[in-house]
Amino acid sequence: GENVEQHPSTLSVQEGDSAVIKCTYSDSASNYFPWYKQELGKRPQLIIDIRSNVGEKKDQRIAVTLNKTAKHFSLHITETQPEDSAVYFCAANDYKLSFGAGTTVTVRA
Amino acid sequence: GAGVSQSPRYKVAKRGQDVALRCDPISGHVSLFWYQQALGQGPEFLTYFQNEAQLDKSGLPSDRFFAERPEGSVSTLKIQRTQQEDSAVYLCASSLTGGDGNTIYFGEGSWLTVV
Repeated sequence: GENVEQHPSTLSVQEGDSAVIKCTYSDSASNYFPWYKQELGKRPQLIIDIRSNVGEKKDQRIAVTLNKTAKHFSLHITETQPEDSAVYFCAANDYKLSFGAGTTVTVRA
Repeated sequence: GAGVSQSPRYKVAKRGQDVALRCDPISGHVSLFWYQQALGQGPEFLTYFQNEAQLDKSGLPSDRFFAERPEGSVSTLKIQRTQQEDSAVYLCASSLTGGDGNTIYFGEGSWLTVV
């Protein structure tokens, strides 16, 4: 089955700086890579996703890159704000999602 | 409905008690998933339905766990003879079609505490 590894497990950044989270996956059949943001006690919410036929996707302050050859993908958040503080999960999908262990992001004001 | 709805939101069960967790997926969504999320960890896959057919139950941790979706809409996850290690958030999710690459939407989860 799919195995997704996510790094770092915690990330503390100064407000306005960038945050980068990296994930690797094992199953070359996976072709959809979503990122979810989860606040304490809330549901995971999709913030951005990328499919295997593109290498990069951007949505305002959030961008995701995908390297299918190396089987890794990354989330980039620019100009971080306090409301970006949350746990972020990467996932890889063949038909079901396999999640990374999560990254707790803290944005310091 | 507007989103994936789960009930109960919170459940405290005594060890050995049976529990049933309900999921109402987004109307018209073919695929339905159950995940288990322990504190401080990522969601772990339990089982997958396409309409009423349970196509994958490889993630169910033991035969005490049972899921059904008899009419292809509402689903129930049942845990028999609950144990302390069953304490977790149980997340239900749905997507429009059965193919891969479709956006998967999560419910708020059912928080189960076994005492």
